[in-house]
Amino acid sequence: GQNIDQPTEMTATEGAIVQINCTYQTSGFNGLFWYQQHAGEAPTFLSYNVLDGLEEKGRFSSFLSRSKGYSYLLLKELQMKDSASYLCVPMDSNYQLIWGAGTKLIIKP
Amino acid sequence: GAVVSQHPSWVICKSGTSVKIECRSLDFQATTMFWYRQFPKQSLMLMATSNEGSKATYEQGVEKDKFLINHASLTLSTLTVTSAHPEDSSFYICSARDGRDHYEQYFGPGTRLTVT
Repeated sequence: GQNIDQPTEMTATEGAIVQINCTYQTSGFNGLFWYQQHAGEAPTFLSYNVLDGLEEKGRFSSFLSRSKGYSYLLLKELQMKDSASYLCVPMDSNYQLIWGAGTKLIIKP
Repeated sequence: GAVVSQHPSWVICKSGTSVKIECRSLDFQATTMFWYRQFPKQSLMLMATSNEGSKATYEQGVEKDKFLINHASLTLSTLTVTSAHPEDSSFYICSARDGRDHYEQYFGPGTRLTVT
């Protein structure tokens, strides 16, 4: 079956760094997305990894290890507006996105 | 670029009535559009995939006669919730894939449906 495992909730302090880990199992693999979703809003794209390694984009970085079925999202210099759910979304061999419940990140002052 | 709009952003309707939600790709041609539903504190659930000019493919457990999807052009797909009931109250989100690539889906802002 297809499965995604992320922590349900994490708490971090404004200005700090947080890493959200994700392990996944899919039928085939065509890359992995990270999305941010604020309560009551649609997901917004953060990153896409298809090859192993680290992709850096401003305060956000995403890492992928295909052999381990593992990815993480690293958020630096946390801001209050980063409080949201973060969704690790792999894409299977049919280019179908596999959605889990995500990680709710709470930022405290 | 790659903007997807949805209309309406929220709607309240009475039980038994039908509601139509529009999804438009504003600056690209969307050969494939997706409709999702999300209940509070739950993950997005794919309802159906539609390709322009052909019938939608519904996910298991989604009633095709209740959730009518039309993808008549490369920039417009509609979802009609027929004979709505309170349990259909949810957040409906569409996304669109540009015909030129296989991977990224561009999401609309979502439609909040409340059935009273």
